[in-house]
Amino acid sequence: QSVLTQPPSVSAAPGQKVTISCSGSTSNIGTNDVAWYQQLPGTAPKLLIFEDNERPSGIPDRLSGSKSGTSATLDITGLQTGDEADYYCATWDGSLRAVVFGGGTRLTVL
Amino acid sequence: QVQVVESGGGVVQPGRSLRLSCAASGFIFSSYAMHWVRQAPGKGLEWVAVISYDGRNTYYADSVKGRFIISRDNSKNTLYLQMDSLRTEDTAVHHCARSVSYVPSGAFDIWGQGTMVTVSS
Repeated sequence: QSVLTQPPSVSAAPGQKVTISCSGSTSNIGTNDVAWYQQLPGTAPKLLIFEDNERPSGIPDRLSGSKSGTSATLDITGLQTGDEADYYCATWDGSLRAVVFGGGTRLTVL
Repeated sequence: QVQVVESGGGVVQPGRSLRLSCAASGFIFSSYAMHWVRQAPGKGLEWVAVISYDGRNTYYADSVKGRFIISRDNSKNTLYLQMDSLRTEDTAVHHCARSVSYVPSGAFDIWGQGTMVTVSS
């Protein structure tokens, strides 16, 4: 049971938009920045979003992050088959004094 | 280029120990907090531990507290994870990762490919 809750799977057609949610609490998302990762099969995770909505260099602007209260979302527009991967949210939990991850969401591009 | 490379994984019996290393290059290692993150086969990401840039502060996941010790040698640009009293549930690919922020956060911008630890009798 992960501290952050993500839907196990989402799907959408190429070119469409998908939203992946990440729900937490006041001790984690409510007070600390959220990061998002993409993990392709057999590879290390790749940072997509940090500080809730900042993109590292090289990450396209069709990926965006937002946060409201104790929930965060990752939006991906203009879906491509190459976006099929597992996506994870993460943040610091001040009560646990630990980094917490969501359980991961598998994105399928139909 | 900026990279971290893990080593030291292997097959070990329950109750035994293993020490992982993570060699950093291409950046000023002593300026960054560093983390260990693991992933059991077919499972999600699990954070293990963090150490501050100067080694003075460490935090651990409850699942490894009292059994694992994270440390670093800034003169060697190397991060370590001493794993004692290993359990079958520690079986996972263990990644080291560089923290983006000076304050505690879940944002890691540089990841290694990981080293596999298998705990089995």
